[in-house]
Amino acid sequence: RKEVEQDPGPFNVPEGATVAFNCTYSNSASQSFFWYRQDCRKEPKLLMSVYSSGNEDGRFTAQLNRASQYISLLIRDSKLSDSATYLCVVNKEGGKLIFGQGTELSVKP
Amino acid sequence: GAGVSQSPSNKVTEKGKDVELRCDPISGHTALYWYRQSLGQGLEFLIYFQGNSAPDKSGLPSDRFSAERTGGSVSTLTIQRTQQEDSAVYLCASSARLGGWGETQYFGPGTRLLVL
Repeated sequence: RKEVEQDPGPFNVPEGATVAFNCTYSNSASQSFFWYRQDCRKEPKLLMSVYSSGNEDGRFTAQLNRASQYISLLIRDSKLSDSATYLCVVNKEGGKLIFGQGTELSVKP
Repeated sequence: GAGVSQSPSNKVTEKGKDVELRCDPISGHTALYWYRQSLGQGLEFLIYFQGNSAPDKSGLPSDRFSAERTGGSVSTLTIQRTQQEDSAVYLCASSARLGGWGETQYFGPGTRLLVL
């Protein structure tokens, strides 16, 4: 079993739609959690950290449930520019980031 | 300011040759990380440095892989006797301090390695 598992993709949604990505992690000792975004043939870039109380950044909302070892990302009012692969990332210890396989999102006009 | 830079951006080599990949972290970042992204495999942690020391080498796939960091700055990842399965994008990242809560890792553009 992979340490970080994500929804299989791809997600194809129309502009303006709300889309949710889910992620589970297996190591209860995981310390911090992130969502990264990766555009085609580009490096990953931090989208947002995920806090226990949940956090929001504009159209993006992240939630963490430590008891269920579950992380989510909600994107409201999808834009064409949101099309990318979204990576669920867990920091287990030190700086060792464990990445999920990624979920591809395609927003269509 | 300048981000993480990596060179070369692309490298094609023949099976059995050695390759060196270079990473220049963001100035002042003490922590440096190497990852590998293979087609269909996702991102895989290889090694990290705190200053010039690498306390965790467990992610290196085999003893053909080695990495060093000098002067607390530039790092080199060396792959000896390359194999076709080494073909991947090698990504370097740096952070101001060794990761933990809230420490953001900034990634370079990667080196695309193709072993023929």
